[in-house]
Amino acid sequence: KAGVTQTPRYLIKTRGQQVTLSCSPISGHRSVSWYQQTPGQGLQFLFEYFSETQRNKGNFPGRFSGRQFSNSRSEMNVSTLELGDSALYLCASSLSLAGYEQYFGPGTRLTVT
Amino acid sequence: AQSVSQHNHHVILSEAASLELGCNYSYGGTVNLFWYVQYPGQHLQLLLKYFSGDPLVKGIKGFEAEFIKSKFSFNLRKPSVQWSDTAEYFCAVKMDSNYQLIWGAGTKLIIKP
Repeated sequence: KAGVTQTPRYLIKTRGQQVTLSCSPISGHRSVSWYQQTPGQGLQFLFEYFSETQRNKGNFPGRFSGRQFSNSRSEMNVSTLELGDSALYLCASSLSLAGYEQYFGPGTRLTVT
Repeated sequence: AQSVSQHNHHVILSEAASLELGCNYSYGGTVNLFWYVQYPGQHLQLLLKYFSGDPLVKGIKGFEAEFIKSKFSFNLRKPSVQWSDTAEYFCAVKMDSNYQLIWGAGTKLIIKP
């Protein structure tokens, strides 16, 4: 089975721009969760989608949004980028809601200049 | 608020030393417990999990963890570490009150050859 894939792997953006990251879960997995990983803050939960519905949301501003398509692929969008948004963004998929085993992708490294 | 604490942010050991990484959570209900590992340059991957049954669970690469309900703990252990165990280790807990995984801050483990 193919693993979780994330595109792009690396991204450099300027403050004020917006960015869209994509995640394709393992085939058959219906839950996709997004995390922000930084050296100082560790792993911070952004949101989780299951069957195209947002089921859980972390404590991030409204500039961070996401969606899930009928094929379970997911995108997250960050608008009005700030320097502090520079991070590794991880996507994880799970057969059911994220209380079960999650499989992580390689991440998208976002640098905001 | 529900939380997960990993007591040590950085641990340095010599090869063949024994390892114990602490994980405590604050929740009195039913939990599912996980340890994930992130080797340098690799994806986060599941090390072991506990859902129910024998509180001593064995994972990959010789790791084990013991769930002690009375202490709200799920400590990770390995009798003899190797240089290849150098990684960051994350504890995560699913509490039955919601489907969100709560993550610890992570412990960076460095094994000196």
